Amino acid sequence: DAGVIQSPRHEVTEMGQEVTLRCKPISGHDYLFWYRQTMMRGLELLIYFNNNVPIDDSGMPEDRFSAKMPNASFSTLKIQPSEPRDSAVYFCASSFSSGTVIDYGYTFGSGTRLTVV
Amino acid sequence: KNQVEQSPQSLIILEGKNCTLQCNYTVSPFSNLRWYKQDTGRGPVSLTIMTFSENTKSNGRYTATLDADTKQSSLHITASQLSDSASYICVVSAGRGSTLGRLYFGRGTQLTVWP
Repeated sequence: DAGVIQSPRHEVTEMGQEVTLRCKPISGHDYLFWYRQTMMRGLELLIYFNNNVPIDDSGMPEDRFSAKMPNASFSTLKIQPSEPRDSAVYFCASSFSSGTVIDYGYTFGSGTRLTVV
Repeated sequence: KNQVEQSPQSLIILEGKNCTLQCNYTVSPFSNLRWYKQDTGRGPVSLTIMTFSENTKSNGRYTATLDADTKQSSLHITASQLSDSASYICVVSAGRGSTLGRLYFGRGTQLTVWP
């Protein structure tokens, strides 16, 4: 299995531009998570999906951020318009549910390093 | 307030030595606790996951313990290697039953192993 695949690995964009981050979860996983990591705040959960449906988006910082999961094998995180404070590493992770512990096989992608100048 | 605190913030040890990292949490209701290893420039990789009824779990040279009464966990690394140099993150999941609860992250312990 190729694991969780994220693209691009690095993104540099100008303030005000739209940025789209992409994620392909592990086949068969029914949960998908988007995280943001900064030196100041560490890892933060932004939003997660179960069976392509957004379950909890309470971590999304503001309306400039949106996430979609049109099918079981693809998700996007969009920032529009981007701001310098959005600069961070964005991780996608996926897992599957089994019994009462619903997040087995929790696997992170390699992340997208976003720099907004 | 639900929080996860890790200590120390950073640690330097010599290759071959053992070390123990600490995680204290105030998350309730408790569902599970995991330890992740994150190499520089990479995504976190799961080392262990423990539910309420488990008090120890090993993964090679890594052994995690959990005391649900005192809400403390530790990660013990035996016979450290240079490749153990990484950030170790404690994550606690809140929730009940089959419902995925909110995840609470520690800030991590940065471990450096010197030759």
